[in-house]
Amino acid sequence: SQTIHQWPATLVQPVGSPLSLECTVEGTSNPNLYWYRQAAGRGLQLLFYSVGIGQISSEVPQNLSASRPQDRQFILSSKKLLLSDSGFYLCAWSVGGGIETQYFGPGTRLLVL
Amino acid sequence: AQSVTQLDSHVSVSEGTPVLLRCNYSSSYSPSLFWYVQHPNKGLQLLLKYTSAATLVKGINGFEAEFKKSETSFHLTKPSAHMSDAAEYFCVVSDLGFGNEKLTFGTGTRLTIIP
Repeated sequence: SQTIHQWPATLVQPVGSPLSLECTVEGTSNPNLYWYRQAAGRGLQLLFYSVGIGQISSEVPQNLSASRPQDRQFILSSKKLLLSDSGFYLCAWSVGGGIETQYFGPGTRLLVL
Repeated sequence: AQSVTQLDSHVSVSEGTPVLLRCNYSSSYSPSLFWYVQHPNKGLQLLLKYTSAATLVKGINGFEAEFKKSETSFHLTKPSAHMSDAAEYFCVVSDLGFGNEKLTFGTGTRLTIIP
C-alpha cells in the first residue's frame, strides 16, 4: 500500500533562517506531487506541483521554492523565512492520467518567530 | 476557471442530529468533486468523491453527498452526528480536461458537535 511521509512534524524557526521540509512517498511510481499551505483560518493554497523529477510548477509567487531530486521525494525550501511563512504545510500525491484523488501527508506545522 | 464556495465557516449541531455542510461550485467543464476532512493537527482524509457516476455519493463514516448540477451544489450530509465528527471539512473541485490534477479547495467549514 502507498504511504506518504512528511518531516519534521513541527518546526519553530527564526525570521531570516533557511527552511527545508521533506516529503516522501512509498508504494507508487511516478506520482504527481503537491505542496499546499494552510494558513490559520483559511483553506488550502496550492504552492507547487510536480509531474516528474526536476519538473516543478509554481502556483503563486512567494518566498518558497520546491525541488524534486528523486521520483518519490519532494522538498520545500526557503533561503530566508518570513513571518508570513508560518502555517501548516501539507504534501500530497496522486497518480497521473486524469482527475485522481489526492492523498495527503500528516503535515508540518511551521512557526516563524 | 473553477471555484468552490463553502457557505458556512462554522456549523454546530447536537450529537445525534443531522449534519448539513453546504458547498457550491463553478466549473467550466464537467467537474469532479470531493469532500475532505481534517482533524486537529492532522493531514486531510478523503471522505468521498463524485466523478460523473451516481449523483448520490456515499463516503466513509456515514457521510454522503449529492451532486446537483442544476444548483451547482455538492452538499455533505450525515443523518446522525457523532462526537468524533468534530473537524474541519473541505469541499474541493477539479475540472476534467485540465491537463493535470489541480484541485481547488474551499475555505473550509468547522463542524462542532454539542454533547
